[in-house]
Amino acid sequence: DVKVTQSSRYLVKRTGEKVFLECVQDMDHENMFWYRQDPGLGLRLIYFSYDVKMKEKGDIPEGYSVSREKKERFSLILESASTNQTSMYLCASSLWSGRNTIYFGEGSWLTVV
Amino acid sequence: QKEVEQNSGPLSVPEGAIASLNCTYSDRVSQSFFWYRQYSGKSPELIMSIYSNGDKEDGRFTAQLNKASQYVSLLIRDSQPSDSATYLCAVKGGSGGSNYKLTFGKGTLLTVNP
Repeated sequence: DVKVTQSSRYLVKRTGEKVFLECVQDMDHENMFWYRQDPGLGLRLIYFSYDVKMKEKGDIPEGYSVSREKKERFSLILESASTNQTSMYLCASSLWSGRNTIYFGEGSWLTVV
Repeated sequence: QKEVEQNSGPLSVPEGAIASLNCTYSDRVSQSFFWYRQYSGKSPELIMSIYSNGDKEDGRFTAQLNKASQYVSLLIRDSQPSDSATYLCAVKGGSGGSNYKLTFGKGTLLTVNP
């Protein structure tokens, strides 16, 4: 089975703090993704990466950055957390392109106070 | 901007009935279609994928795709209370270099009443 692991499940951070969300997958997938999910807005793509050190902006990249130094690990960084970044963050991975399914981690619930 | 539309629901069906969930998409050249189930507080899990026009069956689930109408649906036969969840339609591929990322609808909340 595919395993996508988000190490931090529940976080509470203060406004202005730098926040790191870590994600690791164990299936040698090329693609990795960060989504956020909010009530009424659904799942929205923040960033994705199709190879080590490669990244592309998704639909809502403002206020976020990412890092992919190793194939199995994809980090989401909030440089200066704000209250409107309170959300559930979902990491996902897939094989390269085509019909390959995207698999999700368990999610990280972030509250910014 | 690619769009995926679903009725938000809630859709309420009695136990044992057929639940029908619908989805339309805007990008005519989209290639891959997925249904995910998401229980409250949990992450989405894949139920079905479909790539060609027609029906695809897996147990109690049937996915239907009509590319001409840009329409995809999910039928759940013999609905069980454990099927109560939000069902997310997702679309991949098409124009704008989107071969590897999914665009999601906002989901339909299904409630199966015992």
